[in-house]
Amino acid sequence: QSALTQPPSASGSPGQSVTISCTGTSSDVGAYNYVSWYQQHPGKAPNLMIYEVNKRPSGVPDRFSGSKSDNTASLTVSGLQAEDEADYYCSSFLGTHNIFGGGTKLTVL
Amino acid sequence: EVRLVESGGGLVEPGGSLRLSCAASGLTFSSYSMTWVRQAPGKGLEWVSSLSGDTTYIYYADSVKGRFTISRDNAKNSVYLQMNSLRGDDTAVYYCATDPAGGPDHWGQGTLVTVSS
Repeated sequence: QSALTQPPSASGSPGQSVTISCTGTSSDVGAYNYVSWYQQHPGKAPNLMIYEVNKRPSGVPDRFSGSKSDNTASLTVSGLQAEDEADYYCSSFLGTHNIFGGGTKLTVL
Repeated sequence: EVRLVESGGGLVEPGGSLRLSCAASGLTFSSYSMTWVRQAPGKGLEWVSSLSGDTTYIYYADSVKGRFTISRDNAKNSVYLQMNSLRGDDTAVYYCATDPAGGPDHWGQGTLVTVSS
């Protein structure tokens, strides 16, 4: 099973919005509403930001939102802040386990 | 608060073995599927293995099948990863995570495994 496809990089200025895409297939992203997104700062463990496509765990700012259309999921970060600079990974359920995207490095200019 | 603490990583020669442990607290451990995910230096996340709460369901990535064994002890709130026949491409930080149907949610801090002579 190949990894989900993410752009290697994305960027935006403080206060702007940026959207990161995650493309899979009809066997993963397109098949289940179990897409999650993780934020990872250097040297730290991943942190769940979005689950089940568009749900936020408690404590995650509402500046983070998720969506899905067919085989592509998206993470939008609105009102960019300096602390949002990190790597972001998408993940999709595959029937027995989850697979991950290759990751997107988000730079806040 | 859910807390996961991995241990057991270290330096091992190619062909060697290691056993990783993950101690959980702050949750009804036996109700949770558990997952191991690894991250090679400078690389992305890779799913390794998952195990249901009652051990009925066990899954492995093709890259580790036949070499790694996942297990758990619900009485000790712990999950394990026995890694045999280790190779250089197994070098990574290994994370354990709780794994409800939506995907891993709570993660440990990770333990580094380095396979080198």
